[in-house]
Order: sequence, then structure tokens, then C-alpha cells
Amino acid sequence: AQSVTQLGSHVSVSEGALVLLRCNYSSSVPPYLFWYVQYPNQGLQLLLKYTTGATLVKGINGFEAEFKKSETSFHLTKPSAHMSDAAEYFCAVSEWEVQGAQKLVFGQGTRLTINP
Amino acid sequence: KAGVTQTPRYLIKTRGQQVTLSCSPISGHRSVSWYQQTPGQGLQFLFEYFSETQRNKGNFPGRFSGRQFSNSRSEMNVSTLELGDSALYLCASSLGAGVYIQYFGAGTRLSVL
Repeated sequence: AQSVTQLGSHVSVSEGALVLLRCNYSSSVPPYLFWYVQYPNQGLQLLLKYTTGATLVKGINGFEAEFKKSETSFHLTKPSAHMSDAAEYFCAVSEWEVQGAQKLVFGQGTRLTINP
Repeated sequence: KAGVTQTPRYLIKTRGQQVTLSCSPISGHRSVSWYQQTPGQGLQFLFEYFSETQRNKGNFPGRFSGRQFSNSRSEMNVSTLELGDSALYLCASSLGAGVYIQYFGAGTRLSVL
């Protein structure tokens, strides 16, 4: 079974500072990786995804992530934090089942706080 | 294009009751997956339906069941509710083929008293 570890359940940065959220995965096959964001009282919104090809992927709201196979990592970054980035962020890996079915295996989440 | 719609948004039930949650996927999507989100266990996969058939199932007791209709809308049922079933239940829709991207609804928050 695949697993996802997000280092740091809470991350706090100042407005305008670099955001770095860490994600490591375990997978026996080439992984498909995702970052989702959840604002209070809302569902999950897809930020970005890695399936194949370029290892540096860009997403919405200025976020990007780099897939590093040798480090089994998929860290999320944003050069300059904005107050509106305050939310909970989830890293996920797609786990393949029979009949082409997939399910998402999520990390425990990282709550990002932005200080003015 | 309309997103994933989950109804109701909030539910309050008592132990022993049963509950049905509804999910309308994005038009054209044939797969609906359900996830449970709790502070202690995080996000856990319940099951997936594709073309009216359950294609995948997580590690939950038989009290949790679902179904999918011909228009791809899905319902999830929990019977004999327990306090521990209090959670945010999220539905995700996708095309259901290839490397499919799952799009989530706003969820139904269930409180069991």
C-alpha cells in the first residue's frame, strides 16, 4: 500500500515570505501525485498534479511543486505568501486498483498560517 | 460547467439512526468516489462507483454503503449510526478512466449525537 507523509502539521510564514510545504511518498510504481487545498467549511480544490513528463509542475494561485524520484518527494512552494493562502494543504498519491480503478491516498495535511 | 454538488451540507442525527447523503457529479463524469474526513484519521477512501457498479472499496464496515444511478448521481448510506461516524463526507467526481483527476464537492458535515 502506498503512503504519504507531510512533514509539519502546522507551518507559519510571514506575508511575502517563501512557502514550503513538504511531502514524501512511498510507492512501488511510478506515482501520480497531487496537491489539494481546503479552505474552512469547503471541500478540496486541486492545486496541481504530476502524472508524467516535466518534473516541475505549476498550479493555480502561484504554487508549484517538483517531483524528485530519488528523494521520493513532491514539495509544494510559492515564492511569496499572501494572506489568502491561509488554508489546509493535502498531498495525495493515486493508488491503482484492479479494473483501472484509482483511489487517492492522502497525507495528514499541513495547516498554513500567514502572519501579517 | 457546474461543479460537484453535495446535499445536504449539514446533518444532525442521533445514534442508531440511518442517513443518506447525495452527490451529483460534474456533467460527463462517470465515476464518483466517497471519502470520510475526521480530525483523527484524516481523509480516508470509502468507495468508488463507476457506471452504476462499485469498482473499489475502502476498509469500512458494512454499515457504509452506496449506489450510483444511471445519470451518475450517487448516494451514500450509513446505517445504525455511531458517534464515531461524525465527520465531513466528501464526494469526488472524475471521468473514471486513465489517470483521472478527482474533483471534490463541498462535503456534507454529519454530526451524530
